[in-house]
Amino acid sequence: GAVVSQHPSRVICKSGTSVKIECRSLDFQATTMFWYRQFPKQSLMLMATSNEGSKATYEQGVEKDKFLINHASLTLSTLTVTSAHPEDSSFYICSAPRAAGGGLGLETQYFGPGTRLLVL
Amino acid sequence: LAKTTQPISMDSYEGQEVNITCSHNNIATNDYITWYQQFPSQGPRFIIQGYKTKVTNEVASLFIPADRKSSTLSLPRVSLSDTAVYYCLVEGGRGFQKLVFGTGTRLLVSP
Repeated sequence: GAVVSQHPSRVICKSGTSVKIECRSLDFQATTMFWYRQFPKQSLMLMATSNEGSKATYEQGVEKDKFLINHASLTLSTLTVTSAHPEDSSFYICSAPRAAGGGLGLETQYFGPGTRLLVL
Repeated sequence: LAKTTQPISMDSYEGQEVNITCSHNNIATNDYITWYQQFPSQGPRFIIQGYKTKVTNEVASLFIPADRKSSTLSLPRVSLSDTAVYYCLVEGGRGFQKLVFGTGTRLLVSP
């Protein structure tokens, strides 16, 4: 099946620094990717939709100047957490949809393994 | 986007069949239903997807009644490794729609 990778898998940084997380679709092209954040014992919360060649679309309450998204190519989207603070510590997950085939126009979301961010 | 409701948690024992039901009363005509599994500190993994009636694959079955207002994920003979959170999502038709995750069901399988 399709594979989505994320790098790094975990990162520890000091408060005030910026952290970049990469999401790659390894064997298919993705014009759209999604970024989620997940706190312990909670569900995934959609942060933004990453669009190749255009600006990302952010969900309500997500600061676009803090969470910079760049969809540089059909296989790569990056999320940069700028001026990170301890409250940004979380599990960040990306996903990329791919057509499921069968001629029905359905799609399947393939998720990356996640990136654990700890801000000290 | 249709909202889904699932039990917060379920307990089972190895070898038993587990059925997790999800309610999606506001499902639209073009929506289809997808279930994902998530282990701790991992991204969700696709399990099964369907539109109506019954769908079966190598790991699970999905039952969808005629009114499509609910769906049931059936896991046959669970093992300890099936302990995970299971999410039911209703995806809004075609065009790479974004997903809205509900609370999910935390399944604990005991020996």
